[in-house]
Amino acid sequence: EVQLVESGGGLVQPGGSLRLSCAASGFTFSSYEMNWVRQAPGKGLEWVSYISSSGSTIYYADSVKGRFTISRDNAKNSLYLQMNSLRAEDTAVYYCARVSSWYDLDYWGQGTLVTVSS
Amino acid sequence: EIVLTQSPGTLSLSPGERATLSCRASQSVSSSYLAWYQQKPGQAPRLLIYGASSRATGIPDRFSGSGSGTDFTLTISRLEPEDFAVYYCQQYGSFSWTFGQGTKVEIK
Repeated sequence: EVQLVESGGGLVQPGGSLRLSCAASGFTFSSYEMNWVRQAPGKGLEWVSYISSSGSTIYYADSVKGRFTISRDNAKNSLYLQMNSLRAEDTAVYYCARVSSWYDLDYWGQGTLVTVSS
Repeated sequence: EIVLTQSPGTLSLSPGERATLSCRASQSVSSSYLAWYQQKPGQAPRLLIYGASSRATGIPDRFSGSGSGTDFTLTISRLEPEDFAVYYCQQYGSFSWTFGQGTKVEIK
């Protein structure tokens, strides 16, 4: 069974940093591309970042470019999102999601809440 | 960036009725890269349709997708109580993913 479990969310002050993790199991993690997607409270879904299966290709949404860094450790079956210079508008539930060959997101984690507030 | 506009914002229907949800793109989208998701309160999104018209694993056949170019549709043939939720369309293109703003299907 495919499982994605996020962790690392919490309350952080504006300008602070946080590192999210996503632990994958039930599939060959090193063969799949991965995304981070977020959802602000009561709002819709927003794509945040993409990483290829090897980690060699990375994309970011303009809203987080230069502040967030996606990475992965295939030996540990883990995906990460380093978030720096956090703003109030970064407050959201952050999901990790597996990218299928059709570029849809076929499996999602349960999400981790990040709250940026003083 | 391609913008996806979903309509209506809210659909009020009764169980057993047919639901038709629209997703319109600001420019042509490859049908291969158009997907639909269902999200219930407090839960992660669930993939329903990929490639504009293919049902994901385990999705009942009352869900169907159609369309091409800039106009796509998700149809739920007969609403079951568990189908009342928010539905999002999503496209991939130019190294980014975009989502529509969502359509809420609520019980009338």
